[in-house]
Amino acid sequence: DAGVIQSPRHEVTEMGQEVTLRCKPISGHDYLFWYRQTMMRGLELLIYFNNNVPIDDSGMPEDRFSAKMPNASFSTLKIQPSEPRDSAVYFCASSLRGLNSPLHFGNGTRLTVT
Amino acid sequence: AQTVTQSQPEMSVQEAETVTLSCTYDTSESNYYLFWYKQPPSRQMILVIRQEAYKQQNATENRFSVNFQKAAKSFSLKISDSQLGDTAMYFCAFMTNFGNEKLTFGTGTRLTIIP
Repeated sequence: DAGVIQSPRHEVTEMGQEVTLRCKPISGHDYLFWYRQTMMRGLELLIYFNNNVPIDDSGMPEDRFSAKMPNASFSTLKIQPSEPRDSAVYFCASSLRGLNSPLHFGNGTRLTVT
Repeated sequence: AQTVTQSQPEMSVQEAETVTLSCTYDTSESNYYLFWYKQPPSRQMILVIRQEAYKQQNATENRFSVNFQKAAKSFSLKISDSQLGDTAMYFCAFMTNFGNEKLTFGTGTRLTIIP
């Protein structure tokens, strides 16, 4: 299995632009998580899905952030408009059966907003 | 590329006992950071403890301590006087400190504290 695949690996954009991060979970996994990593705030849960349905989006910082999971093999995290404070590493992770199951992380997308 | 391996998918221990969770990693870097995160039912990732590779002294946070063996690339977490609230998934993570400050995670160990 190729593991959780995130794209792009790096994204540099200007403030105000729309940014879309992509994630392909491991086939058969029914939970998908988006995390954000910053040096100041550590690792934050943004949102997670179960069977393509958003379960908890309370970690999404503001309306500029949105996430979708149109099918079991694909999810996007969109920021519109982007701001410099959104600069971080964004991780996607998937698991089978959710809590207490192995959690497989992607390699992350490093986002830089100038 | 860095890899992190947690070879114990599940562990259980009686309340008040001590438990050690294992983590090994692979890297060619000499300077890096290692972390243990706890994931409660909220799915948040809570930082338990952190170790800088250049420090020989093992990090300690109250009941949590690590055994960092740099030559063996081993980073185990010891929980003393375990409590029911310690029941969770625990993730080991690695991060270099040269520009690409991105975490690499193990797949986790499910720890159950038995009353």
